[in-house]
Amino acid sequence: GDSVTQTEGLVTLTEGLPVMLNCTYQTIYSNPFLFWYVQHLNESPRLLLKSFTDNKRTEHQGFHATLHKSSSSFHLQKSSAQLSDSALYYCALSDQQVVGQLTFGRGTRLQVYA
Amino acid sequence: AQTIHQWPVAEIKAVGSPLSLGCTIKGKSSPNLYWYWQATGGTLQQLFYSITVGQVESVVQLNLSASRPKDDQFILSTEKLLLSHSGFYLCAWSRDNANTEVFFGKGTRLTVV
Repeated sequence: GDSVTQTEGLVTLTEGLPVMLNCTYQTIYSNPFLFWYVQHLNESPRLLLKSFTDNKRTEHQGFHATLHKSSSSFHLQKSSAQLSDSALYYCALSDQQVVGQLTFGRGTRLQVYA
Repeated sequence: AQTIHQWPVAEIKAVGSPLSLGCTIKGKSSPNLYWYWQATGGTLQQLFYSITVGQVESVVQLNLSASRPKDDQFILSTEKLLLSHSGFYLCAWSRDNANTEVFFGKGTRLTVV
């Protein structure tokens, strides 16, 4: 079945430094849809980014990610971390076989310090 | 605008007791509905999904069941809770085409003691 790997469980950063959260995936289907969800403390997850197009950068709220099918990756980046970015970030995959069926990674907690 | 409401916000239940969690979606007809579970410190796991009233598909077996009695209502239940059922339960919805955003409710935190 599908799988999503987020290698870092916790990333700690000083405010102002760049952010990079890793996400790789495995699926036998050739047209996956990749998502990044963010979950702040005591809140529900909400969509941050999504992409379907190979090698095209997608951006939202200062974050960006590029789907690279050649390396099965969809890393999340931001040029300068803010304290308010502290949250749990989930990478998720849809292989488009079942509507709305998402496979989530284990999540990466980003902690930004002043 | 669409809204999703989950109830209760939190529950503390004894092992072996029954459970019923609910979810309603307003402002969207015929949404796709989902139940997700998040164990403490764990990832999001989809439990059930429903494309239409009366039809529910199970994704993972956790001794739970789900029903969709109305177009805008999704119920998660079990007759006997286990300790392993503790966690955060999220109802979610999406539009009826593939790969659109999934919108999550605020969740129910369940503690089984």
